[in-house]
Amino acid sequence: KQEVTQIPAALSVPEGENLVLNCSFTDSAIYNLQWFRQDPGKGLTSLLLIQSSQREQTSGRLNASLDKSSGRSTLYIAASQPGDSATYLCCYGQNFVFGPGTRLSVLP
Amino acid sequence: NAGVTQTPKFRILKIGQSMTLQCTQDMNHNYMYWYRQDPGMGLKLIYYSVGAGITDKGEVPNGYNVSRSTTEDFPLRLELAAPSQTSVYFCASSEGGGQPQHFGDGTRLSIL
Repeated sequence: KQEVTQIPAALSVPEGENLVLNCSFTDSAIYNLQWFRQDPGKGLTSLLLIQSSQREQTSGRLNASLDKSSGRSTLYIAASQPGDSATYLCCYGQNFVFGPGTRLSVLP
Repeated sequence: NAGVTQTPKFRILKIGQSMTLQCTQDMNHNYMYWYRQDPGMGLKLIYYSVGAGITDKGEVPNGYNVSRSTTEDFPLRLELAAPSQTSVYFCASSEGGGQPQHFGDGTRLSIL
């Protein structure tokens, strides 16, 4: 059964720091991986989608990498801002298995 | 464009009652999905559809039914509500299986 885990479960950083969120999955089959952010009481917003044939994607201050051989993906956020505060979830696999999320707080 | 619209936003049901959660999208997406999210957990796929008339089970389909008669609409039906179905339900759509998913704002359902 596909499992997706995320570390850390929660993270609090001062504004301006660079940070890395981690996502691990057990199924090494070739699927896409997607990162989302979720604001309290809201739905999910897609941030980056890494196709199975790609190794990374970038959008603004966000960079996501995918290493299928090790079953890992990382989301790198540069120069964090208070507006980045949210829960970040990764999603992988044929049945779109989600990790439990990392709750990020960026302090002014 | 409205994107993905879910109704209602909140609902309280009694055990054994039935209801339909509505989902509609105006992006002409082929793929649509239903997820549930329990507190502190990631989302779990209930059902998905790759086009009108085609539906398939996800990870946790028991206790739910879906239909997809049009491209726009993908309602989720609870026939006999149980306390274990208390959750937040999200509908999503995507252009294809390998494309970004767009989510609605969710339906918060409590079963007492």
